[in-house]
Amino acid sequence: GEDVEQSLFLSVREGDSSVINCTYTDSSSTYLYWYKQEPGAGLQLLTYIFSNMDMKQDQRLTVLLNKKDKHLSLRIADTQTGDSAIYFCAESPPGGSQGNLIFGKGTKLSVKP
Amino acid sequence: NAGVMQNPRHLVRRRGQEARLRCSPMKGHSHVYWYRQLPEEGLKFMVYLQKENIIDESGMPKERFSAEFPKEGPSILRIQQVVRGDSAAYFCASSPQTGARTNEKLFFGSGTQLSVL
Repeated sequence: GEDVEQSLFLSVREGDSSVINCTYTDSSSTYLYWYKQEPGAGLQLLTYIFSNMDMKQDQRLTVLLNKKDKHLSLRIADTQTGDSAIYFCAESPPGGSQGNLIFGKGTKLSVKP
Repeated sequence: NAGVMQNPRHLVRRRGQEARLRCSPMKGHSHVYWYRQLPEEGLKFMVYLQKENIIDESGMPKERFSAEFPKEGPSILRIQQVVRGDSAAYFCASSPQTGARTNEKLFFGSGTQLSVL
């Protein structure tokens, strides 16, 4: 496909794990990113993974990369109400200039107490 | 150590007016990027600038839009003769200058919400 695809909404209960999925476009993309956007704020880089890795863990965050299927996921363990935000998947395709990232439309995560 | 500063936070313009959006990168950053976020959409890359140079403007509309990053002062995104379709959130990001590709070092501002009446 031509677009980075994400489901638009995800709702979980506080304390559960959240898994946000993303399908990207270019299997040659060198970096893949997860950004978080809180209401009224800019994007905050949460984590990124280099394309030669399958998994990256950073505290409550786990990123899984399946290059064959061009599938990226973000798992948030022990989800808290402060995790409520929009999460964007982004890729850095090899033909683009520095900073020319392709973003998905974002997944709105709602955490219920 | 202030982050990426964008102003104004909100900008209202009537059709046909000009919009000027400003972005001050983080201290020590010499690369600036502009993105546009339409309602219900992801961010779309517009332009990448270094001081006094446009490096990549592949995402800029061909007409009415221009960007600059002068030697002194903030980067400016200028939209002439705005139309309703220009209503969007415009985000600026910056990154430091290093020898390597620095995609993982993009820092975003809080954006300017442009509303065209």
